Amino acid sequence: DTGVSQNPRHKITKRGQNVTFRCDPISEHNRLYWYRQTLGQGPEFLTYFQNEAQLEKSRLLSDRFSAERPKGSFSTLEIQRTEQGDSAMYLCASRPSQGGALGYTFGSGTRLTVV
Amino acid sequence: AQTVTQSQPEMSVQEAETVTLSCTYDTSESDYYLFWYKQPPSRQMILVIRQEAYKQQNATENRFSVNFQKAAKSFSLKISDSQLGDAAMYFCAYRGYRQGAQKLVFGQGTRLTINP
Repeated sequence: DTGVSQNPRHKITKRGQNVTFRCDPISEHNRLYWYRQTLGQGPEFLTYFQNEAQLEKSRLLSDRFSAERPKGSFSTLEIQRTEQGDSAMYLCASRPSQGGALGYTFGSGTRLTVV
Repeated sequence: AQTVTQSQPEMSVQEAETVTLSCTYDTSESDYYLFWYKQPPSRQMILVIRQEAYKQQNATENRFSVNFQKAAKSFSLKISDSQLGDAAMYFCAYRGYRQGAQKLVFGQGTRLTINP
């Protein structure tokens, strides 16, 4: 197991296009998180899954954003009708159900540039 | 809502010296976790050290230690014997203790430069 994998690493898209990112968590981790990080800022929480259930969504997650985690394995984050303000690093993290506050493992992120 | 503030956008230190990064937070909860994460350029975020609020003893991990002042809601990170590999963005983060509290709340980050 090589950790949390995110694809693609970089994505450049034209304004108005749809994009989809993928996150493959550590296999035994049932909890998965998406964060957004803009340049020079700390990550901001977007959404959280426990297995396949999406249990929490931030108000940052507008109706143009949708996240899924079918079968509780990998997750996808889709942004429809992208805007320049969506340009950011999108981070995925996972952790097991046991272990308290330990065990958040982050991926290397997908950097989105909207032109 | 909880907030985390890092008032030092950038810090620099000479190699082998000691540096302290500051973090303050605001919460109405009595039990929680605090973290310092390191994010090297173009690399994934990794945990440096964590502190449970109910523990009075400050956490230590090798060259990294914290000064946790619960009443002041302050959580600073001290890096001793700084090494070139310590250069990175450092983020302070908070997480509630209650069941269901899942998300990490991050500060704005401090960019640490190590001068050889």
